[in-house]
Amino acid sequence: AQSVTQLGSHVSVSEGALVLLRCNYSSSVPPYLFWYVQYPNQGLQLLLKYTSAATLVKGINGFEAEFKKSETSFHLTKPSAHMSDAAEYFCAVRLKGTARQLTFGSGTQLTVLP
Amino acid sequence: DTGVSQDPRHKITKRGQNVTFRCDPISEHNRLYWYRQTLGQGPEFLTYFQNEAQLEKSRLLSDRFSAERPKGSFSTLEIQRTEQGDSAMYLCASSPSGTRVFFGPGTRLTVL
Repeated sequence: AQSVTQLGSHVSVSEGALVLLRCNYSSSVPPYLFWYVQYPNQGLQLLLKYTSAATLVKGINGFEAEFKKSETSFHLTKPSAHMSDAAEYFCAVRLKGTARQLTFGSGTQLTVLP
Repeated sequence: DTGVSQDPRHKITKRGQNVTFRCDPISEHNRLYWYRQTLGQGPEFLTYFQNEAQLEKSRLLSDRFSAERPKGSFSTLEIQRTEQGDSAMYLCASSPSGTRVFFGPGTRLTVL
């Protein structure tokens, strides 16, 4: 079985500050890992994915995430927050080699303060 | 590429009524998924199709729920005898072979 834990259901940062959203996973085998963003009244948009290539993954909008197997973590970072980054962020895991479903964390609401 | 579309975007119904939602995946995506998202939670998997075959169903998908994907194109999700606990956002997603999954905007169901 696989699961995802997102620490902090709400995170607030000042505009220009570092964004750090935490994600830890549990999986019996090395998984694929994903970060999605959801803006109000919109569907989920893929930010980035880890599929066992480089452990530091760069995504859209200046976000990146680092896969750390020893810590079973896949934290999302952005050096400088913009107001437009305010949204809900979801970490997700999927078993490699399958077309099976994504398992999502409960999400982190990011607020960017002026 | 018009993206995944879902219809309706919003549905308000009375408890006990039946509702049906439609999902049109991205053309030529052979994989189609349904998820349910309640307030303050991440999406939860409901069911998965590869072409027209329903290959996996979650335990969340009670007997009142049924999904179809005739001819491997669009899909429908029907909920019979709706309950207030069915109120949620229902998300459809599609994927070609590979890891990337594209989500639609969702159908928000409110059961009164």
